[in-house]
Amino acid sequence: DAKTTQPNSMESNEEEPVHLPCNHSTISGTDYIHWYRQLPSQGPEYVIHGLTSNVNNRMASLAIAEDRKSSTLILHRATLRDAAVYYCILRLDNYGQNFVFGPGTRLSVLP
Amino acid sequence: NAGVTQTPKFRILKIGQSMTLQCTQDMNHNYMYWYRQDPGMGLKLIYYSVGAGITDKGEVPNGYNVSRSTTEDFPLRLELAAPSQTSVYFCAISGQLQETQYFGPGTRLLVL
Repeated sequence: DAKTTQPNSMESNEEEPVHLPCNHSTISGTDYIHWYRQLPSQGPEYVIHGLTSNVNNRMASLAIAEDRKSSTLILHRATLRDAAVYYCILRLDNYGQNFVFGPGTRLSVLP
Repeated sequence: NAGVTQTPKFRILKIGQSMTLQCTQDMNHNYMYWYRQDPGMGLKLIYYSVGAGITDKGEVPNGYNVSRSTTEDFPLRLELAAPSQTSVYFCAISGQLQETQYFGPGTRLLVL
């Protein structure tokens, strides 16, 4: 099973960039790297995903290592609303078992 | 366009009781999923469906049943509630495998 490793928690100051790391050394060649976040008392929400190349969207950027064994989610300017648990997720290599959520990284944003 | 709706929002059950958690979507997505989330933990997949009439087990299916008679609805059934089933349950949908998943607001279940 493809698994991910993330730090349990991180802190950031408001309006500063945040780099959230994820290790996935057993990733298979066809697995996309997904990031979701979960705000308090809400369901997870999609942030970004990628396969090999770095990706940008309005929420964040995803930097993927050349060997794909690690990736970094980048929030360019953290706001208080970005305080959440961030999950780095790979697909299990079985049909239909789409995502495996680990415990994620709890991001605190300090004013 | 509500996306994914779940009912009820919160429920207390006694041990041995049964209940059905409802999940309805209005996005016409084929894939639907049920997850549970225990306190301080990530989500674990219970069951999933790739379309009407087709369901399959996820990582933690014991104690649960599902059905998928329509594209829109994917109810999760607990037949004999146990304290270990105290959790928050999330329903999710996606258009295809590996695509973005959209999650419902969750159902908080307490079994006493």
